[in-house]
Amino acid sequence: EPEVTQTPSHQVTQMGQEVILRCVPISNHLYFYWYRQILGQKVEFLVSFYNNEISEKSEIFDDQFSVERPDGSNFTLKIRSTKLEDSAMYFCASSERSGGVNQPQHFGDGTRLSIL
Amino acid sequence: GNSVTQMEGPVTLSEEAFLTINCTYTATGYPSLFWYVQYPGEGLQLLLKATKADDKGSNKGFEATYRKETTSFHLEKGSVQVSDSAVYFCALSDRPGGSYIPTFGRGTSLIVHP
Repeated sequence: EPEVTQTPSHQVTQMGQEVILRCVPISNHLYFYWYRQILGQKVEFLVSFYNNEISEKSEIFDDQFSVERPDGSNFTLKIRSTKLEDSAMYFCASSERSGGVNQPQHFGDGTRLSIL
Repeated sequence: GNSVTQMEGPVTLSEEAFLTINCTYTATGYPSLFWYVQYPGEGLQLLLKATKADDKGSNKGFEATYRKETTSFHLEKGSVQVSDSAVYFCALSDRPGGSYIPTFGRGTSLIVHP
């Protein structure tokens, strides 16, 4: 079964540094998403992306965050200047069409980001 | 706004025990309801869903019934296995502004002992 893949599985970065998290969505999917999960807390929506532009974003997704689909397969999340509170598990997801009830989102295994 | 409240874990059971994980929700619209499961070291997987009141979602022996009158979607399984050990997330999704972005609960960890 096709999978969403994320790399790296664990990223350790010094505070203030830039970090790029990478995702390869399922190949025929058109909608892409990033979520984060701070340890012990709930999964939070960050941003959705369709047709090479952001379609929706949450309050968490401020100016230090950006997303990009640099080629036909990758979908990246960049954090420009990391803060301690950015430490979390970041999940990428994709769906074939807009995530309606009959089009569930498929999640990757996540990247654990640790900011020192 | 929308919110999902799940019972706190961990829930610790012996194999073949009956499982209930409570979930209640608050929503401004008429949401669809979901349970996701996260096995150790993996991402979230959709376990089951229900889209309207009194619908029952089921998969892999798990069931949940959409109860609009009590705004609940409790997850149940008659006989758990060690392989069911995971974190379970209740979620809802409606369509504010035209998109289905799920709102997740905090997750409930299930530990099943042999």
